[in-house]
Amino acid sequence: NAGVTQTPKFQVLKTGQSMTLQCAQDMNHEYMSWYRQDPGMGLRLIHYSVGAGITDQGEVPNGYNVSRSTTEDFPLRLLSAAPSQTSVYFCASRRTGQGENEKLFFGSGTQLSVL
Amino acid sequence: AQSVTQLGSHVSVSEGALVLLRCNYSSSVPPYLFWYVQYPNQGLQLLLKYTSAATLVKGINGFEAEFKKSETSFHLTKPSAHMSDAAEYFCAVASGGSYIPTFGRGTSLIVHP
Repeated sequence: NAGVTQTPKFQVLKTGQSMTLQCAQDMNHEYMSWYRQDPGMGLRLIHYSVGAGITDQGEVPNGYNVSRSTTEDFPLRLLSAAPSQTSVYFCASRRTGQGENEKLFFGSGTQLSVL
Repeated sequence: AQSVTQLGSHVSVSEGALVLLRCNYSSSVPPYLFWYVQYPNQGLQLLLKYTSAATLVKGINGFEAEFKKSETSFHLTKPSAHMSDAAEYFCAVASGGSYIPTFGRGTSLIVHP
């Protein structure tokens, strides 16, 4: 049982480049989400999904796209990277059956630098 | 609407001293509350959670938190700090039928020998 797996762990991009951050979980969790973590800002929600084929925007969605074709995978796409997207990105998942009191399982993060 | 305020971006204590990390929440309905810990270069992991079963919640590594409705608080405490407790701590709230927890900005705990 691997939990939540994120790849890559580190990435450097040039402004304007595109890339996809991968997230996979093997716990059959319906809810998956992407956060970015910046100093002094805590965790801010980018996008989330409550099941395959269903996605919605979080607090800071601009510049990011997501899709959810399977229960296991929830990739985050940067269409045209900007220096403001330099951050640490975390994927998290949880069960939905018990409601809000379910804990989130986090991946180990992707550190992204945009030059 | 829900929100979380963590007072103090950094808290510094000596090894063996009491740890107190403050969290106040805002929620229009009874909330679920969480404390997560993040060790350097790792993702977050759950320390403890409040789900209305008991106001004093015990978590891993000797941490506990008390839910005080009248003060809208959920402060995290540990009687005696250890060097290994040095980490970033996040308070989070979830309520109102939403799947989405709201996180505070985090408090960095520094433990001096």
